[in-house]
Amino acid sequence: DADVTQTPRNRITKTGKRIMLECSQTKGHDRMYWYRQDPGLGLRLIYYSFDVKDINKGEISDGYSVSRQAQAKFSLSLESAIPNQTALYFCATSGTGTGGLNEQFFGPGTRLTVL
Amino acid sequence: AQSVTQLDSQVPVFEEAPVELRCNYSSSVSVYLFWYVQYPNQGLQLLLKYLSGSTLVKGINGFEAEFNKSQTSFHLRKPSVHISDTAEYFCAVSDVTGNQFYFGTGTSLTVIP
Repeated sequence: DADVTQTPRNRITKTGKRIMLECSQTKGHDRMYWYRQDPGLGLRLIYYSFDVKDINKGEISDGYSVSRQAQAKFSLSLESAIPNQTALYFCATSGTGTGGLNEQFFGPGTRLTVL
Repeated sequence: AQSVTQLDSQVPVFEEAPVELRCNYSSSVSVYLFWYVQYPNQGLQLLLKYLSGSTLVKGINGFEAEFNKSQTSFHLRKPSVHISDTAEYFCAVSDVTGNQFYFGTGTSLTVIP
């Protein structure tokens, strides 16, 4: 079973609709992240959370919101989707181990198309 | 804050030839450095990481990278590429708290038969 799962994997929606992307992890990590990937722009951070009560804005948080329902679950919402939010969205987790930081572990991605 | 520059957006290379993918970073503090690979229609997976110690880091699939502090670089190399190495490669940096990762724009490696 995958350690970081994302649902749905693909979604097509219309402008103005509310969309929720979900992320679950079984790695036991405290830290969770949401990124979007656009061609030529790499990955850009939307929101991140270091524990259930901690939510932080990333580089491009406008138009998005998040919810950390539990240590293992971190959801991303688009309250009113617009076409320029069409992108590939990734959830990631990280923990802290011996010697410091572990790397980030990524889910398989959600391809979102807003018409 | 940190930033990452990947100088080449696309790198075509013939099978069994060597390859180098370039990465430069900017930071006023000590950093951790990472290379990730993204195969088509998949998420990112870690190739290798530099946290401390030896500046030459070996990763999976025969890749290696060298941390050069004076040149603020972390170039990725492989002496002989295979068709299966065709993918998008991302360089990333974080400070030692690991609070945030900053990714480069990616380099698309295409291995030509």
